[in-house]
Amino acid sequence: QVQLQESGPGLVEPSQTLSLTCTVSGGSIGSDTYYWSWIRQPAGKRLEWIGRIYTSGSTDYNPSLKSRVSMSVDTSKSQFSLKLSSVTAADTAVYYCARRATNSSPEDSWGQGILVTVSS
Amino acid sequence: DIVMTQSPDSLAVSLGERATINCKSSQTVLYNSNNRDYLAWFQQKPGQPPKLLIYWASIRVSGVPDRFSGSGSGTDFTLTISNLQAEDVAVYYCQQYRTNPLTFGQGTRLEMK
Repeated sequence: QVQLQESGPGLVEPSQTLSLTCTVSGGSIGSDTYYWSWIRQPAGKRLEWIGRIYTSGSTDYNPSLKSRVSMSVDTSKSQFSLKLSSVTAADTAVYYCARRATNSSPEDSWGQGILVTVSS
Repeated sequence: DIVMTQSPDSLAVSLGERATINCKSSQTVLYNSNNRDYLAWFQQKPGQPPKLLIYWASIRVSGVPDRFSGSGSGTDFTLTISNLQAEDVAVYYCQQYRTNPLTFGQGTRLEMK
């Protein structure tokens, strides 16, 4: 049973870069052919898909965030990461990492989520 | 982007009764080459991540009770929960995964009457 766990700072100052890591256990990112997603949820609002990365490193980002987002994968550590630059209060949300079985499937396993607040 | 709109925003149903949640997409999520609707349903309880219930519009994830069923095609979809149980109280989201960016509905809050 795969498990995902987000980690990173819970507080980020405006204009800085938000950096989060997702550690995958119960399976190897490098040996499996899954896609790995980041999704966020501002309080009381709908879920927003940020983007996804494949084990090869290929990425696909939400155009609304593309200029500020980058994702990477470290198969040796079974981790993948998210960076979101120039954050504002509008980026305050619970951030989830998740797994997709293929590039044409929904997210079937999710981390518990991490609340990131953008504030000075 | 494909806009997903759910109705109602909230509903209250009695124990043992049926709950019906609708989801409409601004563009078709049916992929003609394989005749599949790229539509999923998630359940989210307070303090928990979303849980995948249904994919391809009508296929239940293993372990999901058969009182949950999905139907519809193209742009109009329905999640039906029969014989409502107390543990079904949650927010339900539809998601289209046909086209990037993947998009979600605004959610429907299901409460017990």
